[in-house]
Amino acid sequence: KAGVTQTPRYLIKTRGQQVTLSCSPISGHRSVSWYQQTPGQGLQFLFEYFSETQRNKGNFPGRFSGRQFSNSRSEMNVSTLELGDSALYLCASSLNSGSINEQFFGPGTRLTVL
Amino acid sequence: AQSVSQHNHHVILSEAASLELGCNYSYGGTVNLFWYVQYPGQHLQLLLKYFSGDPLVKGIKGFEAEFIKSKFSFNLRKPSVQWSDTAEYFCAVNANNNDMRFGAGTRLTVKP
Repeated sequence: KAGVTQTPRYLIKTRGQQVTLSCSPISGHRSVSWYQQTPGQGLQFLFEYFSETQRNKGNFPGRFSGRQFSNSRSEMNVSTLELGDSALYLCASSLNSGSINEQFFGPGTRLTVL
Repeated sequence: AQSVSQHNHHVILSEAASLELGCNYSYGGTVNLFWYVQYPGQHLQLLLKYFSGDPLVKGIKGFEAEFIKSKFSFNLRKPSVQWSDTAEYFCAVNANNNDMRFGAGTRLTVKP
């Protein structure tokens, strides 16, 4: 079974631009969560989508948004990029929503904002 | 504020030494606890998890963790580390079926 895939793997943008990252979960998984990983802050939860609905949201500004499609693939969008948005963005999928479901992580998208 | 704390940022050990990485959390209510590992150049993967029952849980690669409710702790242990255990280790808590919160991570370097 293929793992979680994320595209693109690397991205360089400039301040003020917007970016869209994509995540394809493991086949059959219906929940997708997004995290931002930085050296100083560790992993911080962005949001979780389940059955095309946002189930949970972390403490990030409205510039960060996401969506999930009927095939469970998910995208996250960051508008008006800031230097501080440079990070590794991780996607994790699980069979269902809820804490007892193990999350499987993708390789991440490394975003650099210049 | 609710948080997950990993007090050791970087731990350096020699092979065969024993390992204990601390994890404390400040959430009340029902908690599910996890340890994830990220080997160099690889994805985050689950080492072990605790939901209920025996507070001493065993995971992959000889790791174990003990949930001590009174101390709000879930420390990770391994009796004898190997060079291949060099990685970053993350403690994570899911409280009251909300979102997963991770600690800042502990980088483990094992010297051969």
